Amino acid sequence: GESVGLHLPTLSVQEGDNSIINCAYSNSASDYFIWYKQESGKGPQFIIDIRSNMDKRQGQRVTVLLNKTVKHLSLQIAATQPGDSAVYFCAENIFRYKLSFGAGTTVTVRA
Amino acid sequence: NAGVTQTPKFRILKIGQSMTLQCAQDMNHNYMYWYRQDPGMGLKLIYYSVGAGITDKGEVPNGYNVSRSTTEDFPLRLELAAPSQTSVYFCASSSGTGGAADTQYFGPGTRLTVL
Repeated sequence: GESVGLHLPTLSVQEGDNSIINCAYSNSASDYFIWYKQESGKGPQFIIDIRSNMDKRQGQRVTVLLNKTVKHLSLQIAATQPGDSAVYFCAENIFRYKLSFGAGTTVTVRA
Repeated sequence: NAGVTQTPKFRILKIGQSMTLQCAQDMNHNYMYWYRQDPGMGLKLIYYSVGAGITDKGEVPNGYNVSRSTTEDFPLRLELAAPSQTSVYFCASSSGTGGAADTQYFGPGTRLTVL
């Protein structure tokens, strides 16, 4: 089965609010995690990554938090915009260069 | 820099037909991957390659074949199409130099329907 999963399949957010997307993983040996954004009809697009020796990493309007104690990963999007509407996937490095993907969370931004 | 390109964008096959999904990258990446994405699901790794002439199976390789004769190209072959292969196929590449932290970049996908 999949070692990476997302807590909620859908998330509806008011434009301008912050979004939090959660992900649980089961492989405690994983040392690298990535968040991807997939817009309708397109391939996954890299957003941000984090190594297991970190607990927080910030990008432009996005922050990834890693809690290794409970094997939890989250993506925070600040001031959510309509262009943020997409499916968000977390992925973990499970072996060498192989990534395991969760099922995804669909984020819908309300105007 | 086109990144990762895939052709065709869409294809309908009849059961038992064969076809090749094309993938090319112009980033001089060593590693290339093929994934399939079923509706509402995450991506499953079919095959991957760590360099020209080297390929290996992923999670769901049955019914597929690959080859890697050049750094740039990584075609995926379906020999006897089955309805279970109806999916969206994504090709990806990575430099292979980032160790465990090796970011994969994806193409736009090929939507395949087998009837």
